[in-house]
Amino acid sequence: GAVVSQHPSRVICKSGTSVKIECRSLDFQATTMFWYRQFPKKSLMLMATSNEGSKATYEQGVEKDKFLINHASLTLSTLTVTSAHPEDSSFYICSARARDSLLHGYTFGSGTRLTVV
Amino acid sequence: AQSVTQLGSHVSVSEGALVLLRCNYSSSVPPYLFWYVQYPNQGLQLLLKYTTGATLVKGINGFEAEFKKSETSFHLTKPSAHMSDAAEYFCAVTYGNNRLAFGKGNQVVVIP
Repeated sequence: GAVVSQHPSRVICKSGTSVKIECRSLDFQATTMFWYRQFPKKSLMLMATSNEGSKATYEQGVEKDKFLINHASLTLSTLTVTSAHPEDSSFYICSARARDSLLHGYTFGSGTRLTVV
Repeated sequence: AQSVTQLGSHVSVSEGALVLLRCNYSSSVPPYLFWYVQYPNQGLQLLLKYTTGATLVKGINGFEAEFKKSETSFHLTKPSAHMSDAAEYFCAVTYGNNRLAFGKGNQVVVIP
């Protein structure tokens, strides 16, 4: 079945530095990828949607200059948290969808626990 | 935007008892509907989905859900809870541009 690999699974960084999170679709072409943020004991909040080769579409209230999303190929999307601050600490999850993906639904990565110290 | 309601953040169920998780959505156009399960510090795993056709959908691990358009509901059930069912469960529905809106989730606790 459809598999999405996300890494790193955990990362600790210093305040002010940048962190890159990768999301790869291993056995299908992900025409669309989604990035979510999940706060403790909370639901998933959609941050942005990216289509291969296009600029990402950000949800209201999400700073696009802070959360840089790149979807340069059909199998790879990256989220870069720039100038990270402790309030950016969270669980980030990517999801990938193929063009005709309702057969598989939306496939999620295993998530990245970001801690900014 | 789409709204998804899951009542009861924590649901306790005895081992062997029925698991029932309720999901209601707000949309005049029937969306596609999903149930996902999440274990601690992991991503989401698809349990089942409804797109078209038969309204009673069977998923993995003995779960099933029924789409009821008139009630705008997609409740998840399992006849007999197992200890391994302890996890967080999310209902999700599609809306504009194939995005997913999630409910707040149900933390299921299985009591031996």
